[in-house]
Amino acid sequence: DSGVTQTPKHLITATGQRVTLRCSPRSGDLSVYWYQQSLDQGLQFLIQYYNGEERAKGNILERFSAQQFPDLHSELNLSSLELGDSALYFCASSVGQSPSYEQYFGPGTRLTVT
Amino acid sequence: AQSVTQLGSHVSVSEGALVLLRCNYSSSVPPYLFWYVQYPNQGLQLLLKYTSAATLVKGINGFEAEFKKSETSFHLTKPSAHMSDAAEYFCAVRPIQGAQKLVFGQGTRLTINP
Repeated sequence: DSGVTQTPKHLITATGQRVTLRCSPRSGDLSVYWYQQSLDQGLQFLIQYYNGEERAKGNILERFSAQQFPDLHSELNLSSLELGDSALYFCASSVGQSPSYEQYFGPGTRLTVT
Repeated sequence: AQSVTQLGSHVSVSEGALVLLRCNYSSSVPPYLFWYVQYPNQGLQLLLKYTSAATLVKGINGFEAEFKKSETSFHLTKPSAHMSDAAEYFCAVRPIQGAQKLVFGQGTRLTINP
């Protein structure tokens, strides 16, 4: 158990809908990262937050957004869903921003868009 | 931009045999390097990391990896495979400066034959 929790574990929804994925980082970790894992793209970085502020963006679509709240939990919002958004979404956390700090991954949310 | 290449999407070894999973990185400056393991229906677990200290890094579950700057490689090895090692393994790089995202290879699925 990494200490990172993600809810829900599974999500099935229809095209055009909007969903919210939630992540609680390990106790004391200030950085939260979101990654998408799909069969065709592999593991791709989406976005990073540090202590409530966005710090880095990767291959995140404009239909996707995220935020980190004062209690440090984070939410990833996916809207106007398409079939291609079906993937495993991981949240990871680290204590700070130093590149030597390891990122601890949650169990993921499996999103299926039908 | 940094990238990671994992040679061989599938590797199959016999129980008790040497495990060798290959990873090469592309970067003008040696980055920090990580190996993660993903068991079926689970998140990613850190096996080991290289952060410019010792070039031979020991990790959990008997795995180790050697950083070779001249070969831009960070191959993962284990002297004797166990059935429980069957999983997908990801090599990842993280730049020493700049964006703190992890850049992952495509993964290598390790199968252990009894």
